[in-house]
Amino acid sequence: DTGVSQNPRHKITKRGQNVTFRCDPISEHNRLYWYRQTLGQGPEFLTYFQNEAQLEKSRLLSDRFSAERPKGSFSTLEIQRTEQGDSAMYLCASSSPLVPSGRGAYEQYFGPGTRLTVT
Amino acid sequence: GENVEQHPSTLSVQEGDSAVIKCTYSDSASNYFPWYKQELGKGPQLIIDIRSNVGEKKDQRIAVTLNKTAKHFSLHITETQPEDSAVYFCAASMRWSNTGKLIFGQGTTLQVKP
Repeated sequence: DTGVSQNPRHKITKRGQNVTFRCDPISEHNRLYWYRQTLGQGPEFLTYFQNEAQLEKSRLLSDRFSAERPKGSFSTLEIQRTEQGDSAMYLCASSSPLVPSGRGAYEQYFGPGTRLTVT
Repeated sequence: GENVEQHPSTLSVQEGDSAVIKCTYSDSASNYFPWYKQELGKGPQLIIDIRSNVGEKKDQRIAVTLNKTAKHFSLHITETQPEDSAVYFCAASMRWSNTGKLIFGQGTTLQVKP
């Protein structure tokens, strides 16, 4: 179990450029989440995948944002035409499948995040 | 929608003292309440959690209590150490949400002075 990994760790881009982030969840975790965290705030939910299906998207996720999880393994988050307001830490988390007892079904384990700075 | 309020925003204690962080939630359907510790430049680390069918849970120096009637839960850290210094976040997840998405509080910056 190597934990959730995210790449890159830091990204500096100019306004208007597109950026893509990658998340590799804990192996065998079929539930994957993206959150955004701005300075001094708690993480805010962006979107959720169960296997390859994107089952929920927050209203925070404008049409410039798109997320995918092909084959139910790693996930990518793309931001098109970046704006200064997109500057934030983008966090990925994963959790294990639901089991009858419910144990392990809720715990979300976070990666180190990708710090995006839009200049 | 669901809202989680966390207090205080900053907390400074002497090494060895106890620290208490409190959170309130708005949706009575919430049934899972984790606590995360976040160090500078790192992602949140799950340190303890509690489900709505339990009133208290302990893990060494850390304990969490839940009052469903009042809709609030608290993190208690005893015998604090300098390495406990970090930002702590509470969160809640709603029973009706098939996704299990977490709603976070605003965070508490804990400083433990040697």
